[in-house]
Amino acid sequence: EPEVTQTPSHQVTQMGQEVILRCVPISNHLYFYWYRQILGQKVEFLVSFYNNEISEKSEIFDDQFSVERPDGSNFTLKIRSTKLEDSAMYFCASSVGLVTDTQYFGPGTRLTVL
Amino acid sequence: DQQVKQNSPSLSVQEGRISILNCDYTNSMFDYFLWYKKYPAEGPTFLISISSIKDKNEDGRFTVFLNKSAKHLSLHIVPSQPGDSAVYFCAASAHKAGGTSYGKLTFGQGTILTVHP
Repeated sequence: EPEVTQTPSHQVTQMGQEVILRCVPISNHLYFYWYRQILGQKVEFLVSFYNNEISEKSEIFDDQFSVERPDGSNFTLKIRSTKLEDSAMYFCASSVGLVTDTQYFGPGTRLTVL
Repeated sequence: DQQVKQNSPSLSVQEGRISILNCDYTNSMFDYFLWYKKYPAEGPTFLISISSIKDKNEDGRFTVFLNKSAKHLSLHIVPSQPGDSAVYFCAASAHKAGGTSYGKLTFGQGTILTVHP
């Protein structure tokens, strides 16, 4: 069964450093998403992406964040200058379209900012 | 952001019995609802969904009920199995015609289900 994959599974970085989290969505999916879950809190929407453009973003997704689909398979989330409060699980998700709306999630990347 | 609430942080049931997980929402624009199951150190796994044009959807042991007037949905698992023990998240999205949402899911806090053998 096709699945969303994410790398790395765990990323440790120093505050102020840039990180890139990588995702390979399911191959026939057209919509891509990033969510995060800070320990003990809800899963929160960050951004949705379609047709090489951001469709929607939350207030969390400020200028420090960017997304890109650099080739036909990868979908990346970049945090330019990490802060301690960026420590969280980051989940990538993808869906075929909006009508069906079932988003399939990857296993997550645990980001630890020291 | 309390648009989706799961008021029970945990639920414990005996194997073979019914598990009922509840979810309330406040945003009347939500028109699609999903339940996800999550194990530690894994991503949410899709279980079942329901559109606002329906009031029930069934898939094997899992049934989701939607009460739009009460802005309430529930997930029934019958019979419950020890392997069902996980965190269950309710999620909702809104994409009415002309709306600005592009599939953003709003999640509840989750309910930890423990099924005892």
